[in-house]
Amino acid sequence: DTGVSQDPRHKITKRGQNVTFRCDPISEHNRLYWYRQTLGQGPEFLTYFQNEAQLEKSRLLSDRFSAERPKGSFSTLEIQRTEQGDSAMYLCASSSNLGGAVGYTFGSGTRLTVV
Amino acid sequence: KNEVEQSPQNLTAQEGEFITINCSYSVGISALHWLQQHPGGGIVSLFMLSSGKKKHGRLIATINIQEKHSSLHITASHPRDSAVYICAVSYLQGAQKLVFGQGTRLTINP
Repeated sequence: DTGVSQDPRHKITKRGQNVTFRCDPISEHNRLYWYRQTLGQGPEFLTYFQNEAQLEKSRLLSDRFSAERPKGSFSTLEIQRTEQGDSAMYLCASSSNLGGAVGYTFGSGTRLTVV
Repeated sequence: KNEVEQSPQNLTAQEGEFITINCSYSVGISALHWLQQHPGGGIVSLFMLSSGKKKHGRLIATINIQEKHSSLHITASHPRDSAVYICAVSYLQGAQKLVFGQGTRLTINP
């Protein structure tokens, strides 16, 4: 297992287009998180899955954002009708509570630029 | 006021200096995490602690639960330590998501 993988690493899109990002977590991890980080700021929570269930969503996740984790493995984050304010680094992290300790492993992120 | 406050926001030091980054939080937590982020975005988990002190190589992390304060120390700093260091907390209930500080940008000059 090579850790948490995110694809693509970079995405440039025109305003109004739809984009989809993918995250492959560590296979044994049942929890998956999406965070968004803008320049000079710490990451902010977007949404959380435990297995295939989306259990929590931030108010930052507007109607244009949707996330899925269909089989409890990989996850996708889609942004519809992108806006320039969506430009950010989108980070995925996974963790497991099965062993008691909750440690996190982060992916390298997808940097989105909306022009 | 942010839930997690870090200081300083920026720190520049000479190679070899002892570095301290501070983190304070406002409510009870289940764990505090120190993370490192290099240019390009990837985040690496350095420490997760809920009490006391942990050491890994030249890095030391401490936490004082009563004072709601943690410090990250780097001994014998090196230019390769240059990165953004982020403090984050998680809570026992719910998603156990991380709430992040704004980060401290550390630059170590040779």
